[in-house]
Amino acid sequence: DVKVTQSSRYLVKRTGEKVFLECVQDMDHENMFWYRQDPGLGLRLIYFSYDVKMKEKGDIPEGYSVSREKKERFSLILESASTNQTSMYLCASSFSRLRSNQPQHFGDGTRLSIL
Amino acid sequence: GENVEQHPSTLSVQEGDSAVIKCTYSDSASNYFPWYKQELGKRPQLIIDIRSNVGEKKDQRIAVTLNKTAKHFSLHITETQPEDSAVYFCARADRGSTLGRLYFGRGTQLTVWP
Repeated sequence: DVKVTQSSRYLVKRTGEKVFLECVQDMDHENMFWYRQDPGLGLRLIYFSYDVKMKEKGDIPEGYSVSREKKERFSLILESASTNQTSMYLCASSFSRLRSNQPQHFGDGTRLSIL
Repeated sequence: GENVEQHPSTLSVQEGDSAVIKCTYSDSASNYFPWYKQELGKRPQLIIDIRSNVGEKKDQRIAVTLNKTAKHFSLHITETQPEDSAVYFCARADRGSTLGRLYFGRGTQLTVWP
């Protein structure tokens, strides 16, 4: 089974802090994704990556950046956290950059609160 | 273009009844349609998926149907049980959009009453 592990289930930070959310997958997947989940808004894509050091903007990249230095690890960075970034953050991965018809596998999520 | 419209946003059924969730899309290049179930406090998990060359797929009490002409696909759950209560998400992928991106609907909160 694919294992996608997010480093924290719950995180509390202060406004203006730089926040790092970490995600690791153990199946040698090429693609990795960061979503935020808010009630009534579903899963919104922030950034994704299809290879080491490669990144693509999703639908809501403002206020976020990402880093992929190793294939198995994908980090989401809140450069200067704001209260409107309080949310559930979900990481996902999928097998190949060359295929469109493949599922994504999700981590358990990080519930981030910005005070 | 890219969005998936999902209806209803909430659905309540009695145990043993059927539940149907419908999603519509507009991009004819869509070729893959997965469904995810997210129980409270847990990760979204793939429960069934269908490719564009298939009209229907069934797995025990769940089934998915695809109408490419009308550009909609539906999740059918028969003989519902309380443990089916969860948020269900539909999604689609484009034939031309590699990199594995999926476009998700906003979700349906299904409640099954005992």
